[in-house]
Amino acid sequence: DAGVIQSPRHEVTEMGQEVTLRCKPISGHNSLFWYRQTMMRGLELLIYFNNNVPIDDSGMPEDRFSAKMPNASFSTLKIQPSEPRDSAVYFCASNQGTTGNTIYFGEGSWLTVV
Amino acid sequence: DAKTTQPNSMESNEEEPVHLPCNHSTISGTDYIHWYRQLPSQGPEYVIHGLTSNVNNRMASLAIAEDRKSSTLILHRATLRDAAVYYCILRSTNAGKSTFGDGTTLTVKP
Repeated sequence: DAGVIQSPRHEVTEMGQEVTLRCKPISGHNSLFWYRQTMMRGLELLIYFNNNVPIDDSGMPEDRFSAKMPNASFSTLKIQPSEPRDSAVYFCASNQGTTGNTIYFGEGSWLTVV
Repeated sequence: DAKTTQPNSMESNEEEPVHLPCNHSTISGTDYIHWYRQLPSQGPEYVIHGLTSNVNNRMASLAIAEDRKSSTLILHRATLRDAAVYYCILRSTNAGKSTFGDGTTLTVKP
């Protein structure tokens, strides 16, 4: 299996621009998670989906952030407009089932907003 | 979410065993104990998990206290490639999400 696939791996963008991060979860997994990691705040859960439905988005920082999962094999995290404080590594992860199962992480999207 | 507490950092010598502790005093009966590690510039990766009994796999062993309020990840022979941040988290059977704490940064000295 190819694992969780994220794109882009690296992005540098100017403040105010729209950023779209993409994720393909492992085939057959029905839960998908978006995490953000910074030195100051560590690894934060932004939102998670179960069977393509957003279950908990309490970690989404503000209205500038939105996430969608139109089907079982694709999800996006959008930031519009982007700000320098959004600079971070964004990880997508997936797992099968909601019970105590292993979470598999992608390699992350490294975002720099200048 | 039930919280976990880990030391910020630990050091080990290469080829010696390492015991990484984790406290989870508010663990519930439906919580699994999971360990992940994050190598530099990579996403977290699964190491091991357990519910009540001690567990072994090719990467590590997990020792769970009888009252389940603490656990220890055991690396039997640390290598330089084991230098990473190790996270102990609880995964509930009733909820899909998991919260990661700050983890333990393991330094392995040659």
